[in-house]
Amino acid sequence: IAGITQAPTSQILAAGRRMTLRCTQDMRHNAMYWYRQDLGLGLRLIHYSNTAGTTGKGEVPDGYSVSRANTDDFPLTLASAVPSQTSVYFCASSDRTGNTGELFFGEGSRLTVL
Amino acid sequence: GQNIDQPTEMTATEGAIVQINCTYQTSGFNGLFWYQQHAGEAPTFLSYNVLDGLEEKGRFSSFLSRSKGYSYLLLKELQMKDSASYLCAVIDSNYQLIWGAGTKLIIKP
Repeated sequence: IAGITQAPTSQILAAGRRMTLRCTQDMRHNAMYWYRQDLGLGLRLIHYSNTAGTTGKGEVPDGYSVSRANTDDFPLTLASAVPSQTSVYFCASSDRTGNTGELFFGEGSRLTVL
Repeated sequence: GQNIDQPTEMTATEGAIVQINCTYQTSGFNGLFWYQQHAGEAPTFLSYNVLDGLEEKGRFSSFLSRSKGYSYLLLKELQMKDSASYLCAVIDSNYQLIWGAGTKLIIKP
């Protein structure tokens, strides 16, 4: 099934540990995004990539890094997890840059940092 | 600062009509999206408005007034499966996407 896949679906992590959330899409979309969703808040952009080889910082980038080695993959890394990074993380892609196109979201990764 | 306002929660009856409002104060405007998100699932695209007026798509319609900084999502013939959160998002002048916190819609039989 074409779409966007995230892994893991859920993870409990000790504070201070390193964690990589994986995201893969097979739609050949140029733009990819990582969001976090917390209760009572709107989706907040962590990092984005408009095309393979380029990345940019979103609204809440601190403590997170990304890479875009190819079109399909856009992993998000937490170098040293902290409890405030407990959240649901969504990866998304679009065939248009500049946020002008429909976003296709992965199913989300629920991360708990203890 | 930039702000998107939506009601936190609404309740409606199966078969009825409900209107979910979204007001925005952003630095410029380049379009407005509505997404639906069922509990525990990913958001899915519903509509996109860039010009004033009403866009109809089946049971769902979305309205935009740029001069008033206002949009609404109209859901007709409500079904139990419409119970979800509805997210409003605005593209600002820098082409950043600003998200509202979402409106949780509860449908009662």
